[in-house]
Amino acid sequence: AQKVTQAQTEISVVEKEDVTLDCVYETRDTTYYLFWYKQPPSGELVFLIRRNSFDEQNEISGRYSWNFQKSTSSFNFTITASQVVDSAVYFCALSRHGGATNKLIFGTGTLLAVQP
Amino acid sequence: DTAVSQTPKYLVTQMGNDKSIKCEQNLGHDTMYWYKQDSKKFLKIMFSYNNKELIINETVPNRFSPKSPDKAHLNLHINSLELGDSAVYFCASSLGQGVNSPLHFGNGTRLTVT
Repeated sequence: AQKVTQAQTEISVVEKEDVTLDCVYETRDTTYYLFWYKQPPSGELVFLIRRNSFDEQNEISGRYSWNFQKSTSSFNFTITASQVVDSAVYFCALSRHGGATNKLIFGTGTLLAVQP
Repeated sequence: DTAVSQTPKYLVTQMGNDKSIKCEQNLGHDTMYWYKQDSKKFLKIMFSYNNKELIINETVPNRFSPKSPDKAHLNLHINSLELGDSAVYFCASSLGQGVNSPLHFGNGTRLTVT
């Protein structure tokens, strides 16, 4: 079975703090993709990153960075020097490779509140 | 230029009514989806269409009927609405069915059944 666990339901930080959002996944597939999406208070879902299971290089994009560790089945997301605009619900998701379907399995989300 | 647009944004209706939500994408994608987000923010796929053909149909009550007149549109019709149908419904699209294709989501339709 495939599953994504985001154990942190809510995190509150003060602006300029660094924060890491945890994501742990379960899958029996050898090839799969992991995603992060952001859902700001306005409600839309914004794609942030995609990572395939063969690429364990960490990725940095501005203040965002992602740490993929296959050995621990984790795909954590760090925001450096957080800002109020980072306040949102963040979803980690897992997708299967192969077959005729593209089905995202979402975690339950982590609500990040950045206080000024 | 809205990539994936859904209408209406809000929908309030009474139990037993029938309602539709429309979705259109202008990204040239050939695969479209409906996801449901419940009150606890949990997101789950309902349907997926590729080039107007149904690909994924999760265990959704048959009161929910998707319709894809062309690959740029995927509408969702719901019959005999129930209180438990209250949720935010997201339409999404992707290029192809490959799982490496990121889904682009619409802004959601908040359905409230009273």
